[in-house]
Amino acid sequence: TQLLEQSPQFLSIQEGENLTVYCNSSSVFSSLQWYRQEPGEGPVLLVTVVTGGEVKKLKRLTFQFGDARKDSSLHITAAQPGDTGLYLCAGFAGNNRKLIWGLGTSLAVNP
Amino acid sequence: NAGVMQNPRHLVRRRGQEARLRCSPMKGHSHVYWYRQLPEEGLKFMVYLQKENIIDESGMPKERFSAEFPKEGPSILRIQQVVRGDSAAYFCASSPMANTEAFFGQGTRLTVV
Repeated sequence: TQLLEQSPQFLSIQEGENLTVYCNSSSVFSSLQWYRQEPGEGPVLLVTVVTGGEVKKLKRLTFQFGDARKDSSLHITAAQPGDTGLYLCAGFAGNNRKLIWGLGTSLAVNP
Repeated sequence: NAGVMQNPRHLVRRRGQEARLRCSPMKGHSHVYWYRQLPEEGLKFMVYLQKENIIDESGMPKERFSAEFPKEGPSILRIQQVVRGDSAAYFCASSPMANTEAFFGQGTRLTVV
């Protein structure tokens, strides 16, 4: 059972387009993190969201945590080829001491 | 402030040999996590250690795999008598305390031939 479902699994878009990827669960998370992983490298932390309804912006990336803290979204405006990578969400559910991971959304931005 | 350091980056072992993967956490971090990643399968949790203690090893195979995080020195993931199925990228992450965001190393790519 995958506690964190990410969608879509794959996404291929043209440079300049906007996109949104999702991270959903039936469980409540005390916090959710978004990571980006490039081929051959480790995941790099982008942001942590903690409060239900929270919105955080990182340049062209906008992260939102659902009001009930069960889901999150990542919106990218005017995507660039440098945004290409695997976007992973992870979080702590309840009293769980280890991060629960989604399988990721693999994004390809074509020039 | 150096990030999480893993070495070696690439490791080739013959079937039956031992593989030792090292992870030096970020300065001030006493919590270490090991993950395995296979293409199309995502990150799989293996073990969570906090200085000299194994907190959670529920993701680690019972045989041939072991992990330690001594008081001094890096955390070590040890795989004995490697088999082809052990070929994967192994990532280490560290955090300053429990239930906080983790920072990853660049991984060790193990190839068993």
